[in-house]
Amino acid sequence: GAVVSQHPSRVICKSGTSVKIECRSLDFQATTMFWYRQFPKQSLMLMATSNEGSKATYEQGVEKDKFLINHASLTLSTLTVTSAHPEDSSFYICSATDYPEQFFGPGTRLTVL
Amino acid sequence: ILNVEQSPQSLHVQEGDSTNFTCSFPSSNFYALHWYRWETAKSPEALFVMTLNGDEKKKGRISATLNTKEGYSYLYIKGSQPEDSATYLCASTSNDYKLSFGAGTTVTVRA
Repeated sequence: GAVVSQHPSRVICKSGTSVKIECRSLDFQATTMFWYRQFPKQSLMLMATSNEGSKATYEQGVEKDKFLINHASLTLSTLTVTSAHPEDSSFYICSATDYPEQFFGPGTRLTVL
Repeated sequence: ILNVEQSPQSLHVQEGDSTNFTCSFPSSNFYALHWYRWETAKSPEALFVMTLNGDEKKKGRISATLNTKEGYSYLYIKGSQPEDSATYLCASTSNDYKLSFGAGTTVTVRA
């Protein structure tokens, strides 16, 4: 199957700092990538759709100025959590589409102190 | 975002026994149903994508069925092995390709 990498796998930061998470499709090109968040004991929840060469589209309730998404190439999307606060602590995971399937990265555990 | 439910939340099965669990999803505007297998610290692994009512797919000892009219899918594990221990996620999409996930069924196979 297709491989998606995600970096970093774990990050701990101080409140007020920004954190960038990278998602790469390693062996295929993905015009669309998705970003999800998972709180403890809950489902993966879609945050936004990242489209190569255009603006991301955000799900209801997700602040676009808080979660900046850039999809500069067909193999890379980045999610930047700006001015992170403890309530942003969560598990963030990306997927890349190779229709009709979506392939996932291993996720990033963000802890904001 | 679609309302997708999985049952049970967790189950324990003895090595060698077979088991199954369910995923329910809205049948209106249905496009596809995905099953993933997710082990701790790894990427969710795509198992199946099913689109047609009555679809049945098989991968080794794992198989899945789909009923789009009533909005459910079953995942079966035959002759469970310890390496089958994982969380199994299902997700439904409408034609926008956005996945709506259930909370998962965590399977623990006891030797």
